[in-house]
Amino acid sequence: DIQMTQSPSSLSASVGDRVTISCRASQRIGSYLNWHQQKPGKPPKPLIYSVSGLQSGVPSRFSGSGSGTDFTLTISSLQPEDFATYYCQQSYDTPWTFGQGTKVEIK
Amino acid sequence: QVQLQESGPGLVKPSQTLSLTCSVSGGSISSSYYSWNWLRQPAGKGLEWIGRIYASGSTNYNPSLKSRVTISIDTSKNQFSLNLSSVTAGDTAVYYCARAAVGGPTYWGQGTLVTASS
Repeated sequence: DIQMTQSPSSLSASVGDRVTISCRASQRIGSYLNWHQQKPGKPPKPLIYSVSGLQSGVPSRFSGSGSGTDFTLTISSLQPEDFATYYCQQSYDTPWTFGQGTKVEIK
Repeated sequence: QVQLQESGPGLVKPSQTLSLTCSVSGGSISSSYYSWNWLRQPAGKGLEWIGRIYASGSTNYNPSLKSRVTISIDTSKNQFSLNLSSVTAGDTAVYYCARAAVGGPTYWGQGTLVTASS
């Protein structure tokens, strides 16, 4: 299985801050890297597909980058509705695997 | 707008089989472009992919669960199903169904909590 490792596991930030979350794959996964946002009691919401593609309806303050094994999700200006847990996920090979999650909390 | 809805028992006894159905509306499950997936999430933990099926009936399963999992599809009802046999307390989780394209899951059901307990 391809292991996905996110860092940090949690972070505290203020509204308006720039936030960066990292994700590392245990092997090269091409562009098959996706990001999801999850709020308590809700299903994950797709944010980014194929490293940097913005899902329909997702605000432009979210962006993704990276290649090979190292990827990044950036929120350019954190908004109150962005406090949530973020997961990276590889769809390069089955079984699909997810990072352990990064919880973004209010400072 | 595509919508997915999980249904099935919320309580399953240990050693029995967990059975869930995902009903799809707003789109055809017969499209060959998409895969139809099951995932789960234990309380307070991360996400685990269980497996997927295509309209053709072709399946892929997570090796960690493969011996216990069967996913099937009923295109006439626009539904797909999950069977997980010999459940233990470790299978207690919120189970999600999801539609996916190349870029991973794009539509998720709301999830259903299944508890394995006597």
